[in-house]
Amino acid sequence: GQQLNQSPQSMFIQEGEDVSMNCTSSSIFNTWLWYKQDPGEGPVLLIALYKAGELTSNGRLTAQFGITRKDSFLNISASIPSDVGIYFCALTRFAGNKLTFGGGTRVLVKP
Amino acid sequence: EPEVTQTPSHQVTQMGQEVILRCVPISNHLYFYWYRQILGQKVEFLVSFYNNEISEKSEIFDDQFSVERPDGSNFTLKIRSTKLEDSAMYFCASSQDQRNEQFFGPGTRLTVL
Repeated sequence: GQQLNQSPQSMFIQEGEDVSMNCTSSSIFNTWLWYKQDPGEGPVLLIALYKAGELTSNGRLTAQFGITRKDSFLNISASIPSDVGIYFCALTRFAGNKLTFGGGTRVLVKP
Repeated sequence: EPEVTQTPSHQVTQMGQEVILRCVPISNHLYFYWYRQILGQKVEFLVSFYNNEISEKSEIFDDQFSVERPDGSNFTLKIRSTKLEDSAMYFCASSQDQRNEQFFGPGTRLTVL
């Protein structure tokens, strides 16, 4: 069956650091979305990727869609405390199609 | 900025009771969805809805679940006879077009006792 892996599962950040997370799929998807979820809230859309090889930025966030359409990474530059939360990749194939979510990367602040 | 809204924010019910979760999707969106998230787990798809009918549903969405768009703005999820394992956050989402960017509501926390 289809497998979707997101890594790392968790990471600690120190303010000012760059962080990176990625998502790989065993199947091809046409659209990759990155969401952030704060505790007790709904996922918030950060970046959407549609074309193989596409590199897209949204402020301090940068995401790329792999050439094979089976992977993507999300980078956060110069992290700040409010970057704490859970980041999910979510994949879909066509209009109205369900989103398949990755397991999430939990970003925490270094004590 | 337009957003998806959901009510109630928290619903507590007894096992076996019926619950209705309500959503108002973004007004010009055409596709509507329900997802759920059990505490500490990833978001799971339940059902999608387009043109006044279900377009796709998951294995979770059994005969105890139903969806309805009773008017031009609301989109509801009904669970007929709740079970303990239905306790979760339920999210409504909507999308507009081919790009399929789905926007989520803040969720309803359902607690079944």
